[in-house]
This record gives sequence, structure tokens and C-alpha cells, in this order.
Amino acid sequence: DTGVSQDPRHKITKRGQNVTFRCDPISEHNRLYWYRQTLGQGPEFLTYFQNEAQLEKSRLLSDRFSAERPKGSFSTLEIQRTEQGDSAMYLCASSYGQGDGDEQFFGPGTRLTVL
Amino acid sequence: GESVGLHLPTLSVQEGDNSIINCAYSNSASDYFIWYKQESGKGPQFIIDIRSNMDKRQGQRVTVLLNKTVKHLSLQIAATQPGDSAVYFCAASTWRQLTFGSGTQLTVLP
Repeated sequence: DTGVSQDPRHKITKRGQNVTFRCDPISEHNRLYWYRQTLGQGPEFLTYFQNEAQLEKSRLLSDRFSAERPKGSFSTLEIQRTEQGDSAMYLCASSYGQGDGDEQFFGPGTRLTVL
Repeated sequence: GESVGLHLPTLSVQEGDNSIINCAYSNSASDYFIWYKQESGKGPQFIIDIRSNMDKRQGQRVTVLLNKTVKHLSLQIAATQPGDSAVYFCAASTWRQLTFGSGTQLTVLP
């Protein structure tokens, strides 16, 4: 399967713990995006990378959240000191583009439950 | 910023009928629009897109219509099938950031 993959698919953690999620984009896709989706809502943009550079961050991304894409391939999203409000599906998407607006391919998501 | 809203949270159609899902956006600077389908437990799946220099685009059994004057977008699914049952999201792109609506749950009745 050459689609976007995410790991783990599910994560249950206790409040206050740190968690890290991984996203492997479609190979050769230069753009990578993280979104958060809560039940009954559409995905909300968190952050965007072009190659290894993080170019945009949403105001939703508090200082407890950090994302990296060190070699311009896979990306990690870390949440420190998790809170119950962080419980959501975290989606990663990738695209190949050089202009504005390109088709983003989504992974299956990581469902986070904070107890 | 951009906000995107869908007109109906749920839609039920008979198998074989056509479905129309409507969406409104707020930012006239949005220049790229996508419809996604999301099945339970899966990530959104691309259906069809349209750029702001077009007003209609057709795919296989799907058509997207864009009315920039009233900032309205619609997705038409022809001959709806049981496999079309899912949540449908429209998304509007400003720069490279996608803003999604809240989704319409489409249920196909036998």
C-alpha cells in the first residue's frame, strides 16, 4: 500500500502524559499536513510542512504541541502534558504541489483518548 | 479567515436516486475546493475538486458545481449506491490551508 500511513492507529493515555504520533506520507510528496478531528466535526488544520520546513501553524496548536519533519519525509506530532480536551482523531495528509491548492491524501488517523 | 458550513447534517436517499449535498463558504479569496468522503474509522477520501476559475466539474457519477457569486458549492451524486453511504465534507482552500465544513451524513436506503 503506497498511501499515507499513521502509527499508532489508537492511543490511550492518562492525563499529563506525553504522546507522539508518526506519519509517513506518500513518497515524493513534498507537503505534509496535520489535522485534528473531533466527533461529528470536520478536520481542523493544525500545521503544514513543505519539505522539512514548518511553514504554517494554526492557533489551535498550543505550545504543548510540536511537530517535526526532520528529513522532509516522515513527520511526528508530539503532545506534551495531555489533557482530556486533546482526545480526538489526529489526521495526517500529504500532497505534491508547487502552487496553491493541491489534492491532499489523508491517512487513516490516530485516535487519541486521554483518560 | 474562512468558515465552511453544510446545509444539512443528514441526508437520506433511495438507492438509485440522485443525491445533492450543499455547502457554503465565507471567504471570497478561497480558490480551490474539494469534496471528501469519510467512512467510519477511516481518513477522508478525495472525491472531486474544483478551482475558482471553473463553475462545474464532472467525475465518475459525481459533479461539483461552484457558484462564486453566492459562495456556494454542491456535490451531486448520480444513481446513489449503498457504498456511497458515508459522511461528506466540503473543504475550501485559502493559500494552502484547507477549512472543512462539519459534514453531511448520507444514508442510502434500499
